[in-house]
Amino acid sequence: QVQLVQSGAEVKKPGASVKVSCKASGYTFTNYAIHWVRQAPGQRLEWMGWINAGNGNTKYSQKFQGRVTITRDTSASTAYMELSSLRSEDTAVYYCARGQIGVAGTHYDYWGQGTLVTVSS
Amino acid sequence: DIVMTQSPDSLAVSLGERATINCKSSRSVLYSSDNKNYLAWYHQKPGQPPKLLIYWASTRASGVPDRFTGSGSGTDFTLTISSLQAEDVAVYYCQQYYSSPYTFGQGTKLEIK
Repeated sequence: QVQLVQSGAEVKKPGASVKVSCKASGYTFTNYAIHWVRQAPGQRLEWMGWINAGNGNTKYSQKFQGRVTITRDTSASTAYMELSSLRSEDTAVYYCARGQIGVAGTHYDYWGQGTLVTVSS
Repeated sequence: DIVMTQSPDSLAVSLGERATINCKSSRSVLYSSDNKNYLAWYHQKPGQPPKLLIYWASTRASGVPDRFTGSGSGTDFTLTISSLQAEDVAVYYCQQYYSSPYTFGQGTKLEIK
């Protein structure tokens, strides 16, 4: 069965970086995209960016451009999301989600369990 | 950015009754080249990730009960639960995936009356 398993909770200081992993299983990793979506307390879900797990191409939300980097390791069927220059407003649960690869966007049929990132001095 | 607005923010419905949630997009999410609405519905229970219910505005995801129905086109969409069950208590979100950044509604909290 399809599973996306994310790394554990992180506590970071303002200005630091965090890297969250998302290990996929149960399907051919390179045939799909991995998107990253975050959910801050009391806020709506917010899309951050995505990676084509096949060719490694990425696209980021303008809001996070310059601060977010999404990569993948096909040998480990794992995608990564690194967010730098953390501030308190980045405190959120970060999710990876599987999508289709295509010209336009995609719905997300499987989600990771979420990783809580807390930014606090 | 396309802004997604859901109504109502919260809803209380009796078991076995119909629940209706609306979603309005600030621009059409109907892609003319394939005549598909790039609109999905999810629900999220406490402590869990969102779960896909409906995509292409009206296609039920695998394993989703047929009491969940998505409808609408262009800018106005509706999720209907025909006969509310206790396990349907959740927050419901619509999402447009027509153009980046892919945006979500603010959520509708569905409870039992």
